[in-house]
Parts: sequence; C-alpha cells; structure tokens
Amino acid sequence: AQSVTQLGSHVSVSEGALVLLRCNYSSSVPPYLFWYVQYPNQGLQLLLKYTSAATLVKGINGFEAEFKKSETSFHLTKPSAHMSDAAEYFCAVSGEEDGNTGKLIFGQGTTLQVKP
Amino acid sequence: GAVVSQHPSRVICKSGTSVKIECRSLDFQATTMFWYRQFPKQSLMLMATSNEGSKATYEQGVEKDKFLINHASLTLSTLTVTSAHPEDSSFYICSASQDLFDEQFFGPGTRLTVL
Repeated sequence: AQSVTQLGSHVSVSEGALVLLRCNYSSSVPPYLFWYVQYPNQGLQLLLKYTSAATLVKGINGFEAEFKKSETSFHLTKPSAHMSDAAEYFCAVSGEEDGNTGKLIFGQGTTLQVKP
Repeated sequence: GAVVSQHPSRVICKSGTSVKIECRSLDFQATTMFWYRQFPKQSLMLMATSNEGSKATYEQGVEKDKFLINHASLTLSTLTVTSAHPEDSSFYICSASQDLFDEQFFGPGTRLTVL
C-alpha cells in the first residue's frame, strides 16, 4: 500500500531563512506526489505536484520540490521564508496501486512556524 | 481556478440528530468527489469516494450507514452524518475532480460539533 511519512511534525525557521519540509513516500507503482498547504480552519490549497515529468517541480509562492526516486523523497523547499508561509503543510501520494485509483494518501502534516 | 464550496462552514447539533453537509463544484463538472475527515492537529483521512450517479466507495472502517453520501449531480455531493454523537465532531473536507486521476480541488471544510 502507498504511504507517506513527513519527518518533523513541527518546523521553525526565521523569516528570510531556508524552508525545508521533508517527505518520504512508499509506492510500488510510479507515484504522483503533491504538496498542499492548509491555513487554520480552511481547506487545502495545492502548492505543487509531480506527475512523472520534470523531477524538479516549481509551485506557487516560491516553493519547489524535487522528486528523488533513489531516496523515495519529495522534499519541499523555499529559499526565503515569509511570515505568511506559517501554516500546516501536507505531502500526499497518489497512483494506481491495488486498485487504489485516484485517492490521495496524506502524510501526518508539518506545522511551519516562521519567527520574525 | 476551480472552486469548490461547502455548506455549512460550521454546524453545532445535538446528539442523536442528523446533519447534512453539501459540497459543490462551482465552475466545473465533478465526476468524482472525495470526503475527508480531519481531527485537530491531524492529517486528512479519506472516508469515501463518490462518483456521479453511482454508490459511494467507503474506506475500511467507515460506517456507510452512518455517513450517507449522495452524488446526484455533476456539481453536488452531500454527506449526511446520521444519529450524530460527540465522537463524530470533526472537520469534514470535500474535494472534487473532473476525472478520477485529475487534480482534486478542495472545499473550505465544515466544522461539525456534536453536543
């Protein structure tokens, strides 16, 4: 079965510092990978997605992620954190495995805190 | 971009009553809609997948008689929590996609509190 592990439930960075949120996946088929952001009491907004094209994916708000098959990773980065980046971030995997068609499997989430 | 709405945004009900939550795709036709549940400080757990005009597919451990899902049109799916109890209190989020493997667009969520 597909699964996602996000290392670090809470990450704290200073404004202007590099943001690195870690995500590792498990999948027996080529995966589709996603990063979502969730602000308090709101739904999810797609930051970026990997669908077997370029391994370095650029998303909205200056975020990007690199698909590394050898490491089964899809870490999210942003060169310079902004106060508005403080939110909950979810990594998710999808793909046709065991008839699991179209479903998103989410990681546990990482809370990003940005300090002034 | 594609917009998905949910109604109501929050609801408080008494134990034993039923609550209906609506999920609408406002500017596209959604052949597939997904219902998720999220507990505080936790991830989203898929409850069921619904396809327009057919019965929903429930995830293991989700009671289909308690969480009734109807996807009667290409723009509307409803989740009815029947005989709600305090343990059903949660944040319910829907998503919609034009096709099974297409991007899912998420609604803003519904906060259900059962007293």
